[in-house]
Amino acid sequence: NAGVTQTPKFRVLKTGQSMTLLCAQDMNHEYMYWYRQDPGMGLRLIHYSVGEGTTAKGEVPDGYNVSRLKKQNFLLGLESAAPSQTSVYFCASSPDRASYEQYFGPGTRLTVT
Amino acid sequence: LAKTTQPISMDSYEGQEVNITCSHNNIATNDYITWYQQFPSQGPRFIIQGYKTKVTNEVASLFIPADRKSSTLSLPRVSLSDTAVYYCLVGRYYGQNFVFGPGTRLSVLP
Repeated sequence: NAGVTQTPKFRVLKTGQSMTLLCAQDMNHEYMYWYRQDPGMGLRLIHYSVGEGTTAKGEVPDGYNVSRLKKQNFLLGLESAAPSQTSVYFCASSPDRASYEQYFGPGTRLTVT
Repeated sequence: LAKTTQPISMDSYEGQEVNITCSHNNIATNDYITWYQQFPSQGPRFIIQGYKTKVTNEVASLFIPADRKSSTLSLPRVSLSDTAVYYCLVGRYYGQNFVFGPGTRLSVLP
């Protein structure tokens, strides 16, 4: 089992460019999440999904879109990147939404110049 | 939304027991208390979860008093590799209302 994987690991974008971050899990989990973490801070929830074809907004959804076309994949899109979106992005999955263990990916470090 | 308060940072020495306390005065009846550990440049990792009294696993113990308004994560005989940020979460369902705060930065010194 690879667990939760994220692609790419690093990326540098210019302001206004777009990109998609891919998260994949092989644990057959129903729930998937995207977080961002800024230096010295905790994680903030961007969007989450409670199953294939469904998504919901988290704490800081503005400027991001997500899609969950397949159960094992959760995509995070930035349509027009801004310097304020410079951050480390973590994907996580869990068997259900209840407060059990979330499994996190290794993160994607994104810099927007 | 059950807000949590933790110390920003703590220092300890190798071999000591470390106790990190989290305050959650408005915890709801159905809320669980969950702790995560995060090493630099890695995603958080689940450590332990409890509802009341005491929970112990191979990594840590979690002590929860009867009123559940606080909890204490206990790490026995820490080593340098326990240097990390520790997050206390209180809630029932992951999502918008079950959030990671700034955590406690534990530094273990030789």
